[in-house]
Amino acid sequence: DVKVTQSSRYLVKRTGEKVFLECVQDMDHENMFWYRQDPGLGLRLIYFSYDVKMKEKGDIPEGYSVSREKKERFSLILESASTNQTSMYLCASSWTGNQYFGPGTRLTVT
Amino acid sequence: KQEVTQIPAALSVPEGENLVLNCSFTDSAIYNLQWFRQDPGKGLTSLLLIQSSQREQTSGRLNASLDKSSGRSTLYIAASQPGDSATYLCAPYNYGQNFVFGPGTRLSVLP
Repeated sequence: DVKVTQSSRYLVKRTGEKVFLECVQDMDHENMFWYRQDPGLGLRLIYFSYDVKMKEKGDIPEGYSVSREKKERFSLILESASTNQTSMYLCASSWTGNQYFGPGTRLTVT
Repeated sequence: KQEVTQIPAALSVPEGENLVLNCSFTDSAIYNLQWFRQDPGKGLTSLLLIQSSQREQTSGRLNASLDKSSGRSTLYIAASQPGDSATYLCAPYNYGQNFVFGPGTRLSVLP
């Protein structure tokens, strides 16, 4: 079975902190994604990557950056966390249109 | 751009009922369509994946059908149980484009 893991289930950070969210997949998938999910807004794509060291902006990239140094690992970075980045963050990997999700990270910025 | 709607937005039924959840999408040139389940505060779990050439896919009490030409997919849940309570999302995929998710149907099965 494909496994996608995320570094934390719950995270509490202060405004202005730099935050790293890590995602690792074990199936050698080329495609990886970061979404955020908010009530009433559904899933929104932040960034995605189709290969190592490659990244593309999604629908809401502002305030975020990503890093993909190895194929299995895709990191989301909040350069200076703000309260409006409090959300559920979901990582996914995919192959031939089949997406696999991690358990999610609930981030609270105070 | 692909747009996805799901009806109903919420559903509450007694245990044992057979259910129908609907998904509609605007761009019928899809590569496949995936149904997910999401429990509160958790990630998405894939339930069924239907390729564009398929009409339906089954897994246990779940059956998903696909009518690509009309832009519709339906998820049938037979003999519902309280453990089926969750939000169900559909996601049609157009090759070379980003995944698009429906808003979901929140299901509550009462014991």
